[in-house]
Amino acid sequence: GAVVSQHPSWVICKSGTSVKIECRSLDFQATTMFWYRQFPKQSLMLMATSNEGSKATYEQGVEKDKFLINHASLTLSTLTVTSAHPEDSSFYICSAFPIQGRNTEAFFGQGTRLTVV
Amino acid sequence: KNEVEQSPQNLTAQEGEFITINCSYSVGISALHWLQQHPGGGIVSLFMLSSGKKKHGRLIATINIQEKHSSLHITASHPRDSAVYICAVRWGGSEKLVFGKGTKLTVNP
Repeated sequence: GAVVSQHPSWVICKSGTSVKIECRSLDFQATTMFWYRQFPKQSLMLMATSNEGSKATYEQGVEKDKFLINHASLTLSTLTVTSAHPEDSSFYICSAFPIQGRNTEAFFGQGTRLTVV
Repeated sequence: KNEVEQSPQNLTAQEGEFITINCSYSVGISALHWLQQHPGGGIVSLFMLSSGKKKHGRLIATINIQEKHSSLHITASHPRDSAVYICAVRWGGSEKLVFGKGTKLTVNP
């Protein structure tokens, strides 16, 4: 089946530094990828929609200058958390649907657990 | 407001029991997904439904479009089924998913 690879699976960084998270679709192409955030004991919340070749669409309340998204190809989207602070510590996960056929299952990356110290 | 409600929030069962998790949504949808999230956080897609019923091994998912309700059933539950089960829906032609809060299932041996 289709696979989405997310890297790294966990990262610890110092406050004020930036962290890049990659999301790759390994065996399909995706014009759109989604980035979600999940705080402990809460549901997944959509942060932004990553669009290949164009600007990402951010959900209300998500700072686009803090969470930089780049979707440079049909198989790769990156999320960069800039000037990270402890409150950014969370579980970040991406998902994608194959281009062919809108009514397909969603495929998720493994997730990245970010801890900012 | 488009909402997704899941019940129960927590569920503990003995190995072998039949499990049912419910999901209700507020407006018409194009698709409903059942997902499984393990303690490490990784998410696996179990089913995508737009109507009727699907079965995969011991898992069965049903959806009633008129009642805006879906159920996930697990037959002959096993400790390895312990996870958080999440219902998520899509509206119209959008690929965005809106998630329920999840049901934490614990199956004891």
